[in-house]
Amino acid sequence: SQTIHQWPATLVQPVGSPLSLECTVEGTSNPNLYWYRQAAGRGLQLLFYSVGIGQISSEVPQNLSASRPQDRQFILSSKKLLLSDSGFYLCAWRGLRGPQETQYFGPGTRLLVL
Amino acid sequence: AQSVTQLGSHVSVSEGALVLLRCNYSSSVPPYLFWYVQYPNQGLQLLLKYTSAATLVKGINGFEAEFKKSETSFHLTKPSAHMSDAAEYFCAVSVDETSYDKVIFGPGTSLSVIP
Repeated sequence: SQTIHQWPATLVQPVGSPLSLECTVEGTSNPNLYWYRQAAGRGLQLLFYSVGIGQISSEVPQNLSASRPQDRQFILSSKKLLLSDSGFYLCAWRGLRGPQETQYFGPGTRLLVL
Repeated sequence: AQSVTQLGSHVSVSEGALVLLRCNYSSSVPPYLFWYVQYPNQGLQLLLKYTSAATLVKGINGFEAEFKKSETSFHLTKPSAHMSDAAEYFCAVSVDETSYDKVIFGPGTSLSVIP
């Protein structure tokens, strides 16, 4: 069965420090992968999506970048974190589970920048 | 352009009472509509989605939603609230059923269930 992993679950980082959040998917190949940010009291904002290795589309200009070094690995990074980068980061993949194709979300990483 | 509004950032209901979470959308083309639930510190889980096959859509956990084109609404309901329904609920709209890079999420409604 397909599963999606994210780590770490929680992260507290100082302003100006680097960031690396990892997302991996198991049980599927060549999935479409997505990074979302959910700020407190707000809906989800799509940050990046990828349709394959090395293929990254960015939805909004920001302090973050993404990479897909392997088929089932999607990494969210920053060279220098800002206070405004705090939020709940969700990775998702598009795939089939039973008869329905839909988007499945990982457990998320809660990032607090101080 | 598409957009989603969810009336009420926070809704409280008594256990056993009707749950009604409101969602209105704006779309220049026939929309695909979704409801997701997010339990504390977890990712989102799809409750149901509307794809024009039927206006009344039944989802998991006893939830259902009705698409009303004249009202541009897709409200989520459940006849009897359980304590386990306490969570954040997101309505979303898309022009495409499967291109999730085009999905627009609403701001969410936090549901509290009072014993």
